[in-house]
Amino acid sequence: DVKVTQSSRYLVKRTGEKVFLECVQDMDHENMFWYRQDPGLGLRLIYFSYDVKMKEKGDIPEGYSVSREKKERFSLILESASTNQTSMYLCASSLGHQLLQETQYFGPGTRLLVL
Amino acid sequence: AQKITQTQPGMFVQEKEAVTLDCTYDTSDQSYGLFWYKQPSSGEMIFLIYQGSYDEQNATEGRYSLNFQKARKSANLVISASQLGDSAMYFCAMREGMDSSYKLIFGSGTRLLVRP
Repeated sequence: DVKVTQSSRYLVKRTGEKVFLECVQDMDHENMFWYRQDPGLGLRLIYFSYDVKMKEKGDIPEGYSVSREKKERFSLILESASTNQTSMYLCASSLGHQLLQETQYFGPGTRLLVL
Repeated sequence: AQKITQTQPGMFVQEKEAVTLDCTYDTSDQSYGLFWYKQPSSGEMIFLIYQGSYDEQNATEGRYSLNFQKARKSANLVISASQLGDSAMYFCAMREGMDSSYKLIFGSGTRLLVRP
């Protein structure tokens, strides 16, 4: 079974704090993704990574950065959290064979509240 | 323009009945893939079913089937014999073959509530 875990289910932070969201997958997947989910907007891609130390911007990268030092771990960083970053954050991974039918496997999500 | 449109924010269905969740897409690619995911209240997205643009038959996975109408650019999810555990958010997603990032584009979702 593919397992994608996220470090926290719920997180409360103050405006201006630096926030780290960690994601780990145990299936040796090449690709990893960070999405945010907001009501009425579905999931929007923030950043993704095809390989260790590789990263690509998604559709809404502003205000975020990422780090992938090891294959199994993909971190999302909010350098200075703002209230409009209050959201549900979902991490996903996939094999990396770049096939149309390749499934993404998701973690349980982190609900972040920025006060 | 929205690439994936789910026009039903919420739906009710009686237990044991069938329900159809709508999804329309917009792409100029000839090669693309369509996915449906389920998100229970626990938050985790669960992959349900996949349909490729060149697949001649509609995809089926147990009680889930995909009503794929290519000319209409629709990929509706049909759940037969609804169960209480089917209550969840459902997301339609697309991957375009010409997009080298191979990312998934998601719709806004439909919340399904199964009534006992």
